[in-house]
Amino acid sequence: EPEVTQTPSHQVTQMGQEVILRCVPISNHLYFYWYRQILGQKVEFLVSFYNNEISEKSEIFDDQFSVERPDGSNFTLKIRSTKLEDSAMYFCASSDRDGGEKLFFGSGTQLSVL
Amino acid sequence: GDSVTQMEGPVTLSEEAFLTINCTYTATGYPSLFWYVQYPGEGLQLLLKATKADDKGSNKGFEATYRKETTSFHLEKGSVQVSDSAVYFCARKGGSNYKLTFGKGTLLTVNP
Repeated sequence: EPEVTQTPSHQVTQMGQEVILRCVPISNHLYFYWYRQILGQKVEFLVSFYNNEISEKSEIFDDQFSVERPDGSNFTLKIRSTKLEDSAMYFCASSDRDGGEKLFFGSGTQLSVL
Repeated sequence: GDSVTQMEGPVTLSEEAFLTINCTYTATGYPSLFWYVQYPGEGLQLLLKATKADDKGSNKGFEATYRKETTSFHLEKGSVQVSDSAVYFCARKGGSNYKLTFGKGTLLTVNP
C-alpha cells in the first residue's frame, strides 16, 4: 500500500534555530496536512494545504510556521525560530479528496528543542 | 469547541480478552466519528468510521457504534490478539472540511 514518508524521524535543535520537517505525501493525493502531538497531549491539527495554498490553519499555526510544496512530491513544515514548547511529534498526512475522511499519515518526526 | 475525550491508558490485556476503549465527543452538529490506530514505528491508520447516528463501523474484528444519545463512540473487540498492541485514537470531523479533532490516544498492550 502506498505510504506517506517523513524525514527525519528525529530532529534535535537549539531554541531559536530554524527547522524544516519534510514529508512526501502519496503521489496522487491533493490535500496535505500537518498535525502534532505534544507528549501526553492530544493530536492537534496545525494546517491543511490544497492547490498550493493554505486552506485552513489552527491558532497554533502562527507566523513562526510556514508550509510549502516546493516541487511535485515534497511537502514541508518550517518553524522559523523554534521554542521549547514546539517539542512534539509532528505528523504529516494526505488525502485524495476534499474533506477526505481517510487520511494517510506518516510515521512522524519527533522534534526536540533544547 | 469540538473535542474528543477518550479513556486514559495504558490498557494491558491478555490475549483473547475483551476490549473496550471509551470515547465521547462534544455534540456540536453531526460529526463523523473515527478510530485511528498507530502500530509501533508507523503512522496513524484509519481503523473504522461512522458517519451518522446508530451507524456501526467495523474492521479487523473491531467495532464502534455512533451513539448520539450518549455522544459516544466506544471501541470494542471481542478477543484481542498480541498483534493488536498499538495506540488507538478516537477522532471526529465536523464543520470544517479539513480538520480532524483527536483524543489523546490510548496505548493498548496485549500479552500472550
